[in-house]
Amino acid sequence: GEDVEQSLFLSVREGDSSVINCTYTDSSSTYLYWYKQEPGAGLQLLTYIFSNMDMKQDQRLTVLLNKKDKHLSLRIADTQTGDSAIYFCAESSMYSGGGADGLTFGKGTHLIIQP
Amino acid sequence: EAQVTQNPRYLITVTGKKLTVTCSQNMNHEYMSWYRQDPGLGLRQIYYSMNVEVTDKGDVPEGYKVSRKEKRNFPLILESPSPNQTSLYFCASSNQGVGEKLFFGSGTQLSVL
Repeated sequence: GEDVEQSLFLSVREGDSSVINCTYTDSSSTYLYWYKQEPGAGLQLLTYIFSNMDMKQDQRLTVLLNKKDKHLSLRIADTQTGDSAIYFCAESSMYSGGGADGLTFGKGTHLIIQP
Repeated sequence: EAQVTQNPRYLITVTGKKLTVTCSQNMNHEYMSWYRQDPGLGLRQIYYSMNVEVTDKGDVPEGYKVSRKEKRNFPLILESPSPNQTSLYFCASSNQGVGEKLFFGSGTQLSVL
């Protein structure tokens, strides 16, 4: 079945850029998502990219998609203490209808901010 | 305010004592789902529902039951909880369709002794 892989931890200094990486196996992926989970809370959609796009930018967030290598990254510029959270990569494929019922999540990357 | 509400937030119980975790959404979403989150394992889907009276198994359904009698509610039932069901549980909902955003509840931390 589909698989989504992420490293479990990333540590960055406050003010630096964070780059969280994700790889996936399903070549029919339609949408790729980044969800953020703050301590003690549920997941919230941070951003997403459609599979025919290479890049999407939204304020401090930049999503890069390399469809050939099935690699997705999330860059957070000027990382702040409030960015400390678990970041989940997720994908949905055309075969699952592309909807939420077909979402496959990675295990999540803990972003740790050093002062 | 659009939200998914789960109750209780924390629950400690003993092996074998039936329990229900409630989930309600106020966005008229067709799709609802239950996940459990465990360290090192990420999110795993337990059950999902595409609409009223339509439910289906996710990746880890054993030991759980669900029902969808009304569109807004999707309770998770543990008939005979066991310690391996100690976990953080999340309910989520969304509209149907490609690329739709999942809305998550705040979670229920369950401990089974």
